[in-house]
Amino acid sequence: QVQLQESGPGLVKPSQTLSLTCSISGGSISSGGHYWSWIRQHPGKGLEWIGYINSFGSTYYNPSLKSRVSISADTSKKQFSVKLSSVTAADTALYYCARGYDRTNWFDPWGQGTLVTVSS
Amino acid sequence: QSVLTQPPSVSGAPGQRVTISCTGTSSNIGARYDVHWYQQLPGTAPKLLIYGNSNRPSGVPDRFSGSKSGTSASLAITGLQAEDEADYYCQSYDISLSGVVFGGGTKLTVL
Repeated sequence: QVQLQESGPGLVKPSQTLSLTCSISGGSISSGGHYWSWIRQHPGKGLEWIGYINSFGSTYYNPSLKSRVSISADTSKKQFSVKLSSVTAADTALYYCARGYDRTNWFDPWGQGTLVTVSS
Repeated sequence: QSVLTQPPSVSGAPGQRVTISCTGTSSNIGARYDVHWYQQLPGTAPKLLIYGNSNRPSGVPDRFSGSKSGTSASLAITGLQAEDEADYYCQSYDISLSGVVFGGGTKLTVL
């Protein structure tokens, strides 16, 4: 059974780059044709898709974040990561990693989420 | 403003039936992309509740059901229980945005 766990700094200064990693247990990035995803949730708000990477290393991003976001994967470490540059307070959110069944379908499972606060 | 539109809140008494709507456009639900539903209990990560419009993952009670028609979808919960109190989100894919879209979420209150 695949399980996901996010890790990274909980506090990032404005204008800096947010970096988070998702560790996969019980599975691997290179199998199954899945889309390994990042999704965020602003405090008290809804869900926002950030982007994903597939087993071939192809990446797809939310157009609203595309200029600032990068997702990469390390198959040997069974991890994938997200970097979001030039952060502002508006990037303060709970960040989740999740496995997408494929490019257009559902996400399951999800990590527990990690809160990132952007503040000086 | 979310691409998919959900009512902010719904409520019902224990044992009753409630429905949550999810309205999209011809670029997402109407473009024949499937709709999926998630349940987010307070303080926890979203959990897949319904996939492919009407399919339940293993372990999800049959009190939960989903349907889709045209540019909209619905989640129905029958026999409401206190433990169903949560936020519910719909999700689909948008061909114009070339990306995943979510509804704004609906808070279910069990009276």
